[in-house]
Amino acid sequence: QTVVTQEPSFSVSPGGTVTLTCGLSSGSVSTSHYPSWYQQIPGQAPRTLIYNTNIRSSGVPDRFSGSILGNKAALTITWAQADDECDYYCALYLVGDIWVFGGGTKLTVL
Amino acid sequence: QVQLQQSGPGLVKPSQTLSLTCAISGDSVSSNSGAWNWIRQSPSRGLECLGRTYYRSKWYNAYALSVKSRVSFIPDTSKNQFSLQLNSVTPEDTAIYYCVREVSGGNRKWGQGTLVTVSS
Repeated sequence: QTVVTQEPSFSVSPGGTVTLTCGLSSGSVSTSHYPSWYQQIPGQAPRTLIYNTNIRSSGVPDRFSGSILGNKAALTITWAQADDECDYYCALYLVGDIWVFGGGTKLTVL
Repeated sequence: QVQLQQSGPGLVKPSQTLSLTCAISGDSVSSNSGAWNWIRQSPSRGLECLGRTYYRSKWYNAYALSVKSRVSFIPDTSKNQFSLQLNSVTPEDTAIYYCVREVSGGNRKWGQGTLVTVSS
């Protein structure tokens, strides 16, 4: 079974830039996987940041951007702020008409 | 604006059926551009998409392999809602369950979530 991979944790300095990645245990991520990114504050439902590789959801600041970097999808956060500290999940559309989520990245801003 | 209101029991006994309903406002369950997911989240399994149902001249269902033999998504056009039924539950099915509207390649609107505990 295909596994979607993410860094378990990452840290960034306030005002800094961080790139989180989303890969496949077998193969490369492409736009045909429609990579999407979600932000989850503890105790809340996730919210969509990026969908279809690089489209920002309504109300998401342009500090958040999505792309394909090499064989992975990527979420880049620029000018990191304290309230960016939370969990980030990616999801990929796979064979069988099903979406699979990565294990999530816990981002620390310090 | 789309709103999703979940309802259903928070406690289910092992071997019984977990049933949740998601009432939709601001969109139609039979929309030709949307899909409807049930996604669950637990510390052991993380976020897991159980599947999706959608209407494109007819109804389509796709289910995750992990639950395929036990799960059904049931759209109800008369009430504009869709339901989850998960049979033969075990404690491993304890999780927060979200109903989710999906459009345009992963743009998701999430319901409020329902914590379902499987315990006798």
